[in-house]
Amino acid sequence: DTAVSQTPKYLVTQMGNDKSIKCEQNLGHDTMYWYKQDSKKFLKIMFSYNNKELIINETVPNRFSPKSPDKAHLNLHINSLELGDSAVYFCASTDTGELFFGEGSRLTVL
Amino acid sequence: SQKIEQNSEALNIQEGKTATLTCNYTNYSPAYLQWYRQDPGRGPVFLLLIRENEKEKRKERLKVTFDTTLKQSLFHITASQPADSATYLCAPRLGGYQKVTFGTGTKLQVIP
Repeated sequence: DTAVSQTPKYLVTQMGNDKSIKCEQNLGHDTMYWYKQDSKKFLKIMFSYNNKELIINETVPNRFSPKSPDKAHLNLHINSLELGDSAVYFCASTDTGELFFGEGSRLTVL
Repeated sequence: SQKIEQNSEALNIQEGKTATLTCNYTNYSPAYLQWYRQDPGRGPVFLLLIRENEKEKRKERLKVTFDTTLKQSLFHITASQPADSATYLCAPRLGGYQKVTFGTGTKLQVIP
């Protein structure tokens, strides 16, 4: 019974396309995040939502748009994909500060 | 700007020895510091949290120290095992949990 699940696990697409990654958590947490991990393995925060409201936006390009339809879901839509968007995207959730991560979605832009 | 640095990109250690990983931070004063483990192809997994008023925290073979004067945390794994091989990430956190920022990570390899 997966706590934080992301789909798809792998995504290969062409430059200029639009794609979405979905995240769901069944832990009852109020806060969810998107992190990006680049090829150098550096894990960088992108967005955070608390009870469906955006509370952190870390100077991410406007091509990235998170959406939280309810507090158990946080999706990430990316427009006009660029080569530099290739990375592993992790979703995480918390209620006490300890983060629970999903398994990651590896995005490859060709 | 806030900066979090962890020692070296990779640390090789003989099985049975104590591994010591370092996390240094600058330009802020976290109220908490967390350590996570990440295996290849997996998401990070929480290990330990230490508060600014705690000097040391232990959990089984793991020990974390937090020196707010030096702005440093040390993470120790005693009696290391090959199964401890992974990347370890420190994550200082300000009060409140909305923003959790990660260090660069240290890849630990325990050699049998």
